[in-house]
Amino acid sequence: DAMVIQNPRYQVTQFGKPVTLSCSQTLNHNVMYWYQQKSSQAPKLLFHYYDKDFNNEADTPDNFQSRRPNTSFCFLDIRSPGLGDAAMYLCATSRGDSSYNEQFFGPGTRLTVL
Amino acid sequence: QQQVKQSPQSLIVQKGGIPIINCAYENTAFDYFPWYQQFPGKGPALLIAIRPDVSEKKEGRFTISFNKSAKQFSLHIMDSQPGDSATYFCAVSISSGSARQLTFGSGTQLTVLP
Repeated sequence: DAMVIQNPRYQVTQFGKPVTLSCSQTLNHNVMYWYQQKSSQAPKLLFHYYDKDFNNEADTPDNFQSRRPNTSFCFLDIRSPGLGDAAMYLCATSRGDSSYNEQFFGPGTRLTVL
Repeated sequence: QQQVKQSPQSLIVQKGGIPIINCAYENTAFDYFPWYQQFPGKGPALLIAIRPDVSEKKEGRFTISFNKSAKQFSLHIMDSQPGDSATYFCAVSISSGSARQLTFGSGTQLTVLP
């Protein structure tokens, strides 16, 4: 089945220790998104890629970076995690054409910062 | 500035009841209005979506009512079941250059009692 896969599902890191979260997709979609969702809150868009073009949201902290080496994979790098970065991180994809297209979400990676 | 306001924050209904969740927006440039369903530990999944040129859309037990002049839209769940217990997010969307971006409401935690 075509899908969005996130690894790991649970990640524990220490304060200030860099961490990388992974997302892969078999949908061959042009656009890949990263959202941060804190407990009992709505997902908040961090940035997205349209193919290799990177688009950062204005209020996304510099501590968060992303890489998309190819169509299928996208990574979220947190350079120096703080306690406030503990959250669920959601990856999503969409076709990226002009229609009202759906975003398909992965199951998320829950990040704990000790 | 909150782009979409969602209410209520939580909702409890008996099995068979018709929960209604409401959202209001300000920016008339939004042109796609999806509802997402999220179960604990899972990513959001598209439930139903509407374009601003129609006033109502039904898919199974789920109905969106859209009032363009009032800038409001709502989700109705007919014959609700305990399996519908989840968090529901409305979203608003506008095409942003290369990709369509979603802004989520704050979410409604629905509990359907057996």
